[in-house]
Amino acid sequence: GQNIDQPTEMTATEGAIVQINCTYQTSGFNGLFWYQQHAGEAPTFLSYNVLDGLEEKGRFSSFLSRSKGYSYLLLKELQMKDSASYLCAVETGGSYIPTFGRGTSLIVHP
Amino acid sequence: GAGVSQSPSNKVTEKGKDVELRCDPISGHTALYWYRQSLGQGLEFLIYFQGNSAPDKSGLPSDRFSAERTGGSVSTLTIQRTQQEDSAVYLCASSPKTGDGYTFGSGTRLTVV
Repeated sequence: GQNIDQPTEMTATEGAIVQINCTYQTSGFNGLFWYQQHAGEAPTFLSYNVLDGLEEKGRFSSFLSRSKGYSYLLLKELQMKDSASYLCAVETGGSYIPTFGRGTSLIVHP
Repeated sequence: GAGVSQSPSNKVTEKGKDVELRCDPISGHTALYWYRQSLGQGLEFLIYFQGNSAPDKSGLPSDRFSAERTGGSVSTLTIQRTQQEDSAVYLCASSPKTGDGYTFGSGTRLTVV
């Protein structure tokens, strides 16, 4: 089966940097997604990593190590609007059906 | 359309009734997914459509759940004889092709009373 682990909740201060980790044990690997979901809203796409390394996109960066089954999402210069749930999803095998973790609820306080 | 559209946005139904949830994907997107999200839980995969291929129904929790996709576009998820444990947000997502980025709709919040 597929197993994806993320911390349940994290808190951080406005203006700071936070790293949200995701570890996975899956049968096969095509790529890893990060999504942001504000309460009561649809998840929105943040990043997609296929190869090892860091991909930077503005204040958000995502890192992948396939050999370690590990990824992280790095958020810099945190803003209050970054308070949301962050979902890690792994796409596996020929089915290309992403399996989602339970999400990490990030609370940014002043 | 510009995004993935789902209707209704909210549905309250009595236990034992049937419900139909609709998803209108982005025009041209061949892949369509249904997920369920319960309070405090991750997204649970239900069913996947890709073009004209047979759907992957491996995530459907029981035979009370079914889905169809007509003409490779609009999809309907049907839940028969609803139970209280069916209460959740049902999300639909589409993508241009297998393995590409997914765009989610705003979901249908189903409450079974």
